[in-house]
Amino acid sequence: TQLLEQSPQFLSIQEGENLTVYCNSSSVFSSLQWYRQEPGEGPVLLVTVVTGGEVKKLKRLTFQFGDARKDSSLHITAAQTGDTGLYLCAGPASGGSYIPTFGRGTSLIVHP
Amino acid sequence: ETGVTQTPRHLVMGMTNKKSLKCEQHLGHNAMYWYKQSAKKPLELMFVYNFKEQTENNSVPSRFSPECPNSSHLFLHLHTLQPEDSALYLCASSQERAAETRIEQFFGPGTRLTVL
Repeated sequence: TQLLEQSPQFLSIQEGENLTVYCNSSSVFSSLQWYRQEPGEGPVLLVTVVTGGEVKKLKRLTFQFGDARKDSSLHITAAQTGDTGLYLCAGPASGGSYIPTFGRGTSLIVHP
Repeated sequence: ETGVTQTPRHLVMGMTNKKSLKCEQHLGHNAMYWYKQSAKKPLELMFVYNFKEQTENNSVPSRFSPECPNSSHLFLHLHTLQPEDSALYLCASSQERAAETRIEQFFGPGTRLTVL
């Protein structure tokens, strides 16, 4: 089983601050996905990264896939209260399965 | 709105009750999933249906019984549950493409289940 370790587990910041959360594994992934889950809702896909070294931007969110495709990071610039939520990374499980395996997530709270 | 709906949103049941969770997707997808989300644990895949056929059963206890009558509807029948089964149960759907190594899953809002 390929494990995805996410850090930090919890993050509490003030509006306007920058932050980075991480998703790491000892295994190589063909792709990684980032989801955001807001309180009371299901996860919503933010981005999929597939190429080592790839950087994708979604407004104030910047996603990077490590060169070796074992890790990924999500950087948020000037966080807003609407960024509050659980950030999950996911990648295909081992053995050629297409079904994602998920990390435990980083719970982010942005205070006004 | 993700195109995946779940009912009920909240459910409280005793250990001897029988209840069912319902999921419906309006996206034309052919794969549907049940996940369990507990505090401090990763999302746990329970069941996968592809074109109405069950393709994955992740060692789930028999007190959870899935049903997929068509590619748009998925049920999870519950009976004689335990308090440790209390969790958020999420349904998801995707357009399965077996040749690819990534899929995009669309999740419903979940059913918050409490077993007393």
